[in-house]
Amino acid sequence: AQKITQTQPGMFVQEKEAVTLDCTYDTSDQSYGLFWYKQPSSGEMIFLIYQGSYDEQNATEGRYSLNFQKARKSANLVISASQLGDSAMYFCAMRENSGYSTLTFGKGTMLLVSP
Amino acid sequence: GAGVSQTPSNKVTEKGKYVELRCDPISGHTALYWYRQSLGQGPEFLIYFQGTGAADDSGLPNDRFFAVRPEGSVSTLKIQRTERGDSAVYLCASSLTQGAQVPDTQYFGPGTRLTVL
Repeated sequence: AQKITQTQPGMFVQEKEAVTLDCTYDTSDQSYGLFWYKQPSSGEMIFLIYQGSYDEQNATEGRYSLNFQKARKSANLVISASQLGDSAMYFCAMRENSGYSTLTFGKGTMLLVSP
Repeated sequence: GAGVSQTPSNKVTEKGKYVELRCDPISGHTALYWYRQSLGQGPEFLIYFQGTGAADDSGLPNDRFFAVRPEGSVSTLKIQRTERGDSAVYLCASSLTQGAQVPDTQYFGPGTRLTVL
């Protein structure tokens, strides 16, 4: 079974609108961490936001917020007020505490922001 | 400060040749990771170093792949007898500490694009 599932291969949004990128995960660990990374066409993976499994509040970092629903095992990324520079691939990743610190990534969602 | 750097940025080689890919982590980061990203996929874990030792090499696809980190800083990923299926972007990441609970974020380099003809 896939540990990280991103069901949206591509998403389109207009500038200044909000967009939600979906991520569901599968783990039997009680302690784990969820990460979102952005990968522009240049190729570098840029860390955006982190949510720990024991965090009671949803993580926020500027225009990024994480809609964490533990019971549903989902960790959706919400980008508010989209900008043209947000166009990129977005990857959800999980680190399980039963293993080492390695990350398991989803297949990604391509976000295109139009003027 | 300086981020993770990787050299070369692009490498084109012929089937059967040997290649070395280099990663220079963020200064002070003790953990270093190698991932491989094929076209249209997310990165897949290859190997993880804590200091000089490989703590987990379960992601290496076969014995043609090997990585070292002799002084606990720079790491080299070595691929022998390259095959066309090895073509991918090889990403390196580093993080501050081993197994830190919160959050021990991994910071990635720009990657090396390997093309095997």
